[in-house]
Amino acid sequence: DAGVIQSPRHEVTEMGQEVTLRCKPISGHNSLFWYRQTMMRGLELLIYFNNNVPIDDSGMPEDRFSAKMPNASFSTLKIQPSEPRDSAVYFCASSHLWGQGAGETQYFGPGTRLLVL
Amino acid sequence: GENVEQHPSTLSVQEGDSAVIKCTYSDSASNYFPWYKQELGKRPQLIIDIRSNVGEKKDQRIAVTLNKTAKHFSLHITETQPEDSAVYFCAASKDNYGQNFVFGPGTRLSVLP
Repeated sequence: DAGVIQSPRHEVTEMGQEVTLRCKPISGHNSLFWYRQTMMRGLELLIYFNNNVPIDDSGMPEDRFSAKMPNASFSTLKIQPSEPRDSAVYFCASSHLWGQGAGETQYFGPGTRLLVL
Repeated sequence: GENVEQHPSTLSVQEGDSAVIKCTYSDSASNYFPWYKQELGKRPQLIIDIRSNVGEKKDQRIAVTLNKTAKHFSLHITETQPEDSAVYFCAASKDNYGQNFVFGPGTRLSVLP
């Protein structure tokens, strides 16, 4: 298995532009997570999906952020318009949740390093 | 909501010595506690985890202990090696429809040769 795949790996954009980050989870996993990592705030969960349905988006910082999961093998995180304070590494992770069982291992993608100028 | 604290924030040890990182959590309902290692510029990777029905778990040089009463858990690395140098994150989560991990702020471990 190729693991969690994210694209692009690096993104440099100007303030006000739209940014779209992409993620392909591990095949067979039914949960997908978007995290943001910065030096100041550490690893923050932005949103997670289970069976393509958003379960908790309370970590999404503001309306400029949106995420979708149209099918089991693809998710996007969009920032529109982007701002310099959005600069961070964005990780996607996936896992398989069995029923309502306890947490299961989350496998992280390589991340997208975003720089908003 | 859950709050996870982690100490120390930085830790330097001599190669061959042991390293211990401690985490505390606030939600007594939390019952799954993974530890992730993140090397510079890389993704976080699971190194060991423990569930609340177990007090200790060991995998070669790495062990994790859990004290549910005190709501803290610790990572122990013995015979440290330079390749153990990384940032280590603890996390806590609980049974629910989903797996909302709350991560600690991380500990930067440096193993000096």
